[in-house]
Amino acid sequence: QKEVEQDPGPLSVPEGAIVSLNCTYSNSAFQYFMWYRQYSRKGPELLMYTYSSGNKEDGRFTAQVDKSSKYISLFIRDSQPSDSATYLCAMSASSGNQFYFGTGTSLTVIP
Amino acid sequence: KAGVTQTPRYLIKTRGQQVTLSCSPISGHRSVSWYQQTPGQGLQFLFEYFSETQRNKGNFPGRFSGRQFSNSRSEMNVSTLELGDSALYLCASSFPGQGLGEQFFGPGTRLTVL
Repeated sequence: QKEVEQDPGPLSVPEGAIVSLNCTYSNSAFQYFMWYRQYSRKGPELLMYTYSSGNKEDGRFTAQVDKSSKYISLFIRDSQPSDSATYLCAMSASSGNQFYFGTGTSLTVIP
Repeated sequence: KAGVTQTPRYLIKTRGQQVTLSCSPISGHRSVSWYQQTPGQGLQFLFEYFSETQRNKGNFPGRFSGRQFSNSRSEMNVSTLELGDSALYLCASSFPGQGLGEQFFGPGTRLTVL
């Protein structure tokens, strides 16, 4: 069983829709949770970072962590064509820099 | 401020050869991590270097090795290449003391093994 599971999609939504992206994990020691966005031919860029459980909001993006269910989500409100990319979840158990990534979900926002 | 740079961007090798990839972190960043990205497995952690010392290591065979120089630049070496080593190799740098997760990725080196 993989440490982190993520539905690869692809996901296609109309502009303005609310997008929900999810990951599940098996290691209860994970405490740090991140979402990255990766455009084609680019490296991943950090979107959201949360510690332990709870919600975090940044503009149109909201990250949720439910440690009891070992489930994290990223919501994108008012989605834009520029949001079309692959979204990767990542998590870590310690303050060291060893991260475990999901395989990524490919999102297309149609104008 | 210049971002993380990786060279070369593309590489084609044959089975059995070895390859060296280079990563220059953002100025002032002392931690460099390497990842392998493939469609089936996603991003997998290879190793992390901090102040010229390997601090963390993922579950890859000994054919994968790396090092870091005193200027924080890092190299990754893969010996006896196999077809399955074809992937995008990403490096990421971070500044010590910043919150976990604030890693800045380079554009990657696309390695194709024939």
